[in-house]
Amino acid sequence: DTAVSQTPKYLVTQMGNDKSIKCEQNLGHDTMYWYKQDSKKFLKIMFSYNNKELIINETVPNRFSPKSPDKAHLNLHINSLELGDSAVYFCASSQDPQGSHTDTQYFGPGTRLTVL
Amino acid sequence: QKEVEQDPGPLSVPEGAIVSLNCTYSNSAFQYFMWYRQYSRKGPELLMYTYSSGNKEDGRFTAQVDKSSKYISLFIRDSQPSDSATYLCAMISNTGNQFYFGTGTSLTVIP
Repeated sequence: DTAVSQTPKYLVTQMGNDKSIKCEQNLGHDTMYWYKQDSKKFLKIMFSYNNKELIINETVPNRFSPKSPDKAHLNLHINSLELGDSAVYFCASSQDPQGSHTDTQYFGPGTRLTVL
Repeated sequence: QKEVEQDPGPLSVPEGAIVSLNCTYSNSAFQYFMWYRQYSRKGPELLMYTYSSGNKEDGRFTAQVDKSSKYISLFIRDSQPSDSATYLCAMISNTGNQFYFGTGTSLTVIP
């Protein structure tokens, strides 16, 4: 069984479109995260969710919005896509109830987003 | 200056070699130090996790933290082709509200 899964694996879209990436974890973890990894492999946290509350919201554009229908899911919605949004987006989860990053994080396989 | 500096490589070694990977950092608030391994087109997976200074060993892997020098290392003994991947260091402050990854070092172990 896959611990953290993401769909789709690849996403190619036009500038200006709105898209969503889904993430699910079956580990029973309390906190889920979204990361962006750029072409130079730099991995940057975007935000995390704990018990349906946004804990950390890094300085990402408000075109990006996390949506958590339940503890096992954290979806990423992106509005008005721009060329610079092209990257690999990783979802992760951890048992850490405080969302302080000190517990082990388990990553999904990533979604490669290409904006044309 | 970036919070965490890591040489991107690429690093190429023969099978059986000892590999040394390093990161430096500037923020003295970092207390938790991690090494992740990322295979091509896969998500990062945690290899080693240490708190504060000292050494930690797990099989062929040894992590070292020198807080006085703000320098961390990952050593891989008897390297194998299956170790070929990108290795990312990561650091967290004691309060958990500062979390940074290095850019990763690409390693290739040649059979």
